[in-house]
Amino acid sequence: AAGVIQSPRHLIKEKRETATLKCYPIPRHDTVYWYQQGPGQDPQFLISFYEKMQSDKGSIPDRFSAQQFSDYHSELNMSSLELGDSALYFCASSFDQNTEAFFGQGTRLTVV
Amino acid sequence: QKEVEQDPGPLSVPEGAIVSLNCTYSNSAFQYFMWYRQYSRKGPELLMYTYSSGNKEDGRFTAQVDKSSKYISLFIRDSQPSDSATYLCAMKRWNGNQFYFGTGTSLTVIP
Repeated sequence: AAGVIQSPRHLIKEKRETATLKCYPIPRHDTVYWYQQGPGQDPQFLISFYEKMQSDKGSIPDRFSAQQFSDYHSELNMSSLELGDSALYFCASSFDQNTEAFFGQGTRLTVV
Repeated sequence: QKEVEQDPGPLSVPEGAIVSLNCTYSNSAFQYFMWYRQYSRKGPELLMYTYSSGNKEDGRFTAQVDKSSKYISLFIRDSQPSDSATYLCAMKRWNGNQFYFGTGTSLTVIP
């Protein structure tokens, strides 16, 4: 079965650079969630989209932005990167807002 | 105080043991309950999903929800070394747009 695809899997950036993370949801899933997970921590909610509209916003810095495109894939844009942004970034998708969510394998971002 | 509380462990059990993992929550609006398994540096893998009080069984896994006590559990029977991972509970409101996670319980099953 198709799963949530995230790219790239690993990314190394320098401070103050920009990064773009991509998420391709499971086919026919219209809801996408972005989470950030630091070492030894539980996932922290960043932002979610339902039917290409932003549906909720969590602890996402103003330096970050995201959108969901017409084909339902989503991109997380991160600017002015800081060392503290180093983390695993997960995307999850669900069929709608009231079904279970499936996570991708994540993008490991390292800021040096 | 987090909306979802979970004992972080670590929990260490012998192979074949029954494992009980638990979460409590404070928000009575939570309607959907999930358990995820996460191996180191991997994405959370959905194990169980339920939306009603009672038990739901899938193979060696049983999810239990008690909405009146705001308490959920995951039981693993005949635990295997391959079950060694971090287990995360997650919850969601009706038409909610984010999942609320527990802190995760680290489990080690010793051969």
